[in-house]
Amino acid sequence: GAVVSQHPSRVICKSGTSVKIECRSLDFQATTMFWYRQFPKQSLMLMATSNEGSKATYEQGVEKDKFLINHASLTLSTLTVTSAHPEDSSFYICSARRSQGNTIYFGEGSWLTVV
Amino acid sequence: GENVEQHPSTLSVQEGDSAVIKCTYSDSASNYFPWYKQELGKRPQLIIDIRSNVGEKKDQRIAVTLNKTAKHFSLHITETQPEDSAVYFCAAASGGYQKVTFGTGTKLQVIP
Repeated sequence: GAVVSQHPSRVICKSGTSVKIECRSLDFQATTMFWYRQFPKQSLMLMATSNEGSKATYEQGVEKDKFLINHASLTLSTLTVTSAHPEDSSFYICSARRSQGNTIYFGEGSWLTVV
Repeated sequence: GENVEQHPSTLSVQEGDSAVIKCTYSDSASNYFPWYKQELGKRPQLIIDIRSNVGEKKDQRIAVTLNKTAKHFSLHITETQPEDSAVYFCAAASGGYQKVTFGTGTKLQVIP
């Protein structure tokens, strides 16, 4: 099946610093990628929808200046958590919509810990 | 926007029994309904999906039914096995799949 790779799988950063998470579709083109945040034992909360070559669409309550999303190519989207705080610690996961067939595949997820 | 409700939140079944998870959605424009299985700390894995032009789809022990009129869809797992234990999420998508809304998840435990 289609593969979506997310990197890094785990990252620890200091408060006030920024961290970038990459989401790549390895064997298909993804015009749309989604970024989610998941708290323990909870569902996936959509943060933003990323379309290649255009600005991301953020969900209500998500700060676009804090969570910077770039979708520069049909196979890569990045999420940058700027000026990270401990409350930003979470499991971040991306998904990519395969242009052919519209099936959605998930990356492995990234555990972010802000200390 | 779309609202997806999922029940039950937890489900325990004996090995070999069937498990049913139900979801309802609010947006009549939704036309794609995937189901995902997520093990702790891992990515959700697509296990089956159904589109609005189909009422039922089956893949071995897993089946999904869709009732567009009532706006609900269900996941059926037959002959459950311990490795089926995980959290299952339903989802609904519309608008050319530009937005996917997830249910709250069901933690399934299959007791050997």
